Amino acid sequence: QKEVEQDPGPLSVPEGAIVSLNCTYSNSAFQYFMWYRQYSRKGPELLMYTYSSGNKEDGRFTAQVDKSSKYISLFIRDSQPSDSATYLCAMSARNQGGKLIFGQGTELSVKP
Amino acid sequence: SQTIHQWPATLVQPVGSPLSLECTVEGTSNPNLYWYRQAAGRGLQLLFYSVGIGQISSEVPQNLSASRPQDRQFILSSKKLLLSDSGFYLCAWSKPLSGRMNTEAFFGQGTRLTVV
Repeated sequence: QKEVEQDPGPLSVPEGAIVSLNCTYSNSAFQYFMWYRQYSRKGPELLMYTYSSGNKEDGRFTAQVDKSSKYISLFIRDSQPSDSATYLCAMSARNQGGKLIFGQGTELSVKP
Repeated sequence: SQTIHQWPATLVQPVGSPLSLECTVEGTSNPNLYWYRQAAGRGLQLLFYSVGIGQISSEVPQNLSASRPQDRQFILSSKKLLLSDSGFYLCAWSKPLSGRMNTEAFFGQGTRLTVV
């Protein structure tokens, strides 16, 4: 079993839709949770960073962490064609040198 | 502000040739540095990480090595490339806070390596 599981998609939605992206994990030591956006042939760009459980909102993006269920989500409201990219979840545990464990990434396509 | 530079962007190398990819970080000191590899349609696999000069940890056995000759310089090398070394290589940095807590990592733009 992988430490982090993420549905690779692809996920296709119409412009303006609410997008829900999810990851599950098995390591209860994970405390730091991140979402990255990666455009084709580019390096990943940090979108959201959360520590422990709870919600965090930044513009159209909301990250949720449920440590009891070992489940994290990223919601994108009013999705735009420019949101079309691969979204990667990543997480790390305390005192492990900042090593990030990534999900496989979900490919998202927002159609005009 | 901090920036990370990674080069070259694209590289085509024959099997058996050596490899050297370089990554430098500006605007911070004593960063944690990482090399990741991303196969097509796959997530990122951590290859090496470093918490200081000369301190390298390897995550997976492979045909590659890493070195950190200076605080903000991280180099990925191979003496003889294999076809299976093809992929998208990403360098990243993070800033450790006091108490050795982790922070988020920031990535370079990557090097697409094709071994032929």
